[in-house]
Amino acid sequence: GAGVSQSPSNKVTEKGKDVELRCDPISGHTALYWYRQSLGQGLEFLIYFQGNSAPDKSGLPSDRFSAERTGGSVSTLTIQRTQQEDSAVYLCASSLMVGLAGFYEQYFGPGTRLTVT
Amino acid sequence: ELKVEQNPLFLSMQEGKNYTIYCNYSTTSDRLYWYRQDPGKSLESLFVLLSNGAVKQEGRLMASLDTKARLSTLHITAAVHDLSATYFCAVDTQGGSEKLVFGKGTKLTVNP
Repeated sequence: GAGVSQSPSNKVTEKGKDVELRCDPISGHTALYWYRQSLGQGLEFLIYFQGNSAPDKSGLPSDRFSAERTGGSVSTLTIQRTQQEDSAVYLCASSLMVGLAGFYEQYFGPGTRLTVT
Repeated sequence: ELKVEQNPLFLSMQEGKNYTIYCNYSTTSDRLYWYRQDPGKSLESLFVLLSNGAVKQEGRLMASLDTKARLSTLHITAAVHDLSATYFCAVDTQGGSEKLVFGKGTKLTVNP
């Protein structure tokens, strides 16, 4: 079946511009995550959505970052007034609670490579 | 704050050799994940370890979990070039959001 998809695959933007990154999770997955992968910081959690619950925004690095998930499916990560340090690969993952163990196996999308010039 | 440390960060080995990658984490958790990442690609799930003593094997890779020692290992047997990739371990925070905290990754290069 279809996996997690993200668009665009690459985005180059000028410092100070706003960008929107999109994630389409696997159909039926209730949980959606955004992570950021950069050379200096490795893989970092940004934000988590689960059903209709309030999102866990504890990983967002500043108030320039925001995300929403519409209709429990597609999610958009918005970065306002981009800075050079925002350059990274932004990965989206989705998951479903698995079995009696109650764990969430996360499936990752291909990522969006953001370059801020 | 949960911290995850992997070592080594870089590993160059010859085909046919064995080696182990270590993953230590700082707080109690019984959920540990191993992922593989090829250059320019996303993360591919390799193993999910859910309890103390769990061992999983797939081909030349075997992963184990010791929750008392807060240690997971990824053992490579008779390495082949196709195993060249970056391997990440990640720990589930189990704090409600199930977010993953990743190690910095081990870049494995298998030379002919």
